[in-house]
Amino acid sequence: EVQLEQSGAEVKKPGTTVKISCKVSGYTFTDYYIHWVQQAPGIGLEWMGFVDPEDGETLYAEKFQGRLTMTADTSTDTAYMQLSSLRSEDTAVYYCQTIAAVGIYWGQGTLVTVSS
Amino acid sequence: IVMTQSPATLSVSPGERATLSCRASQSVSSSLAWFQQKPGQAPRLLIYGASTRATGIPARFSGSGSGTEFTLTISRLQSEDFAVYYCQQYNNLYSFGQGTKLEIK
Repeated sequence: EVQLEQSGAEVKKPGTTVKISCKVSGYTFTDYYIHWVQQAPGIGLEWMGFVDPEDGETLYAEKFQGRLTMTADTSTDTAYMQLSSLRSEDTAVYYCQTIAAVGIYWGQGTLVTVSS
Repeated sequence: IVMTQSPATLSVSPGERATLSCRASQSVSSSLAWFQQKPGQAPRLLIYGASTRATGIPARFSGSGSGTEFTLTISRLQSEDFAVYYCQQYNNLYSFGQGTKLEIK
């Protein structure tokens, strides 16, 4: 069974950095990209970017470029999403997602609250 | 690619059929998925490849279309089907529609 298990909720001050993890199981980690999706309160889903666990290649949505870093650790089958220079508008639930050959799987989501 | 869902809100009575639309600004072939999301929950995959039901999804959910026009049909609506529905294309980068809220009439 494919599972994506994310780290817990975070409360951060403006200007700081958050790093969220996504540990996968049930498939070969390097077979598929790991995507990250932002969902601000009451808003829809926004694709942020992906990391290719096989070679570390990344692609970020223009909105997040310069503040976003995605990495993957093949020794632990875990992907990471780091967002820096946090502001109040970054308060959201962040999901990891993988698009596999026979399905699309999501983590449970991580709430990040940015507040002074 | 911009994904546009319509309508924004759809009011339907239980037992009736609901038809949700998703339009792409350019062709995404059949690389289109539908998700259901309830408050406080992660999105749940319903359909991928435009028309393939995900494991465990009831047969009353069906997807159709290709290229730029897609439809999610839910026949005989049940109480647990009232939620927000999103489409996502994964043919040319990745993008979501803004969602359709399916509410009880």
